Amino acid sequence: QKEVEQNSGPLSVPEGAIASLNCTYSDRGSQSFFWYRQYSGKSPELIMSIYSNGDKEDGRFTAQLNKASQYVSLLIRDSQPSDSATYLCAVNVQGAQKLVFGQGTRLTINP
Amino acid sequence: DADVTQTPRNRITKTGKRIMLECSQTKGHDRMYWYRQDPGLGLRLIYYSFDVKDINKGEISDGYSVSRQAQAKFSLSLESAIPNQTALYFCATLGHPNTGELFFGEGSRLTVL
Repeated sequence: QKEVEQNSGPLSVPEGAIASLNCTYSDRGSQSFFWYRQYSGKSPELIMSIYSNGDKEDGRFTAQLNKASQYVSLLIRDSQPSDSATYLCAVNVQGAQKLVFGQGTRLTINP
Repeated sequence: DADVTQTPRNRITKTGKRIMLECSQTKGHDRMYWYRQDPGLGLRLIYYSFDVKDINKGEISDGYSVSRQAQAKFSLSLESAIPNQTALYFCATLGHPNTGELFFGEGSRLTVL
């Protein structure tokens, strides 16, 4: 079992709708969780981090964490074509100070 | 200028050749990482280093070696390149470990024929 798993998609969402991206992880002791966005041909960039159970909101983005279910999600409200990218879930493996990434989900927002 | 610089940006080589990918950073971070990206597989960790004397294997280190020449420089070598090492390689630095914010270079695209 991979340490971090995502649905690779592609996920297609109409403009203005909510895009929902999901991620599960295997290390129950993990404490830090991150979402990176990667545009085609570019490097990944951090967009959200979450450390506690519940929701964390930043503008149109909401990260959700459920440690009991070992589940992290990212919601993008009022999706825009500029949100079209690959979204990578990353987990800071307990005590190792290294980020393990999922496969990434390719998201397309259709105008 | 970019904070994390990778050279070369693109390289085509033949099976069996030795290849070095170089990474330098001006962020002053101790922690540096090499990742490989393949379509549908996300980013996979090859090696990481916490300082010049601390180098660790990642999940896919076989066939690769690294050198941390200084705090600012971290090189990845393929001693004898093979076609399945064709991929996009990223170097990254990490500021505070708890933030999880990796600062990536622009990537080095390697093709092994």
